[in-house]
Amino acid sequence: GESVGLHLPTLSVQEGDNSIINCAYSNSASDYFIWYKQESGKGPQFIIDIRSNMDKRQGQRVTVLLNKTVKHLSLQIAATQPGDSAVYFCAENRGAGSYQLTFGKGTKLSVIP
Amino acid sequence: GAGVSQSPSNKVTEKGKDVELRCDPISGHTALYWYRQRLGQGLEFLIYFQGNSAPDKSGLPSDRFSAERTGESVSTLTIQRTQQEDSAVYLCASSVDRGAEAFFGQGTRLTVV
Repeated sequence: GESVGLHLPTLSVQEGDNSIINCAYSNSASDYFIWYKQESGKGPQFIIDIRSNMDKRQGQRVTVLLNKTVKHLSLQIAATQPGDSAVYFCAENRGAGSYQLTFGKGTKLSVIP
Repeated sequence: GAGVSQSPSNKVTEKGKDVELRCDPISGHTALYWYRQRLGQGLEFLIYFQGNSAPDKSGLPSDRFSAERTGESVSTLTIQRTQQEDSAVYLCASSVDRGAEAFFGQGTRLTVV
C-alpha cells in the first residue's frame, strides 16, 4: 500500500480563510517532500518543497510544515482564493538510493466565494 | 521547449492494439518519470530514468508496459495489447536530478475501447 496518505479527502473553505491540508507518511527514511496542485485537466504543478533537515518553509501565501516525530506534513494556504480550488497532492522521495516520488491520493480543495 | 511536452494529448485505441506515448523533457533535466493517473485517483509511479543509469522499472504493472529513453532526451512509453484497465492519464515529469522538484507535462489521456 501507499506510504503517503491524506487525512481529509475533501476540504471546503470560505474565500479569504486559511486552508490547511494534511499528509501522513510512514517512511522515516524519506528526506524530501513536495506539495503539488492539480487543476482539472492539467498536470500537477509544483507548489513548495521541504527537505528533512527543515521543519518549516514559507512561500508566497503557502507554508509547509514538517513534523518528523509523527511523520506528518501539512500545507497551509493563507487567504484562500477561488483560484486555489484544485486537488493537492503531497509526495515524498524516500532517499537512500530510491528514485521514486511517491504520491498520496490527494485532497480536493473547494473555495466558496 | 520551456516545459515538459507530451504527445499525443489524447489517444483512443481499440483493445488489443499497441500504443506509444512520447515525452519531451525539459532540456538539461537528467531525471525523467512516468506516472499513471486513473480518474479521480492519485499518481501511480511507473518508471524512472536517471541519466545513463539503469532505469527503475519497479512500478510497471505488467510486461505489456515498457519505456525507453536515449540519454537525457525523449522518452517513449509503450503499452502492448492494451486493455480497458489501461485507460488513464499518463503523466511524464522531469527534474534536474533526484531530490529536486519534478515538472510535469499535461499528460496523455488514453482511452481503450
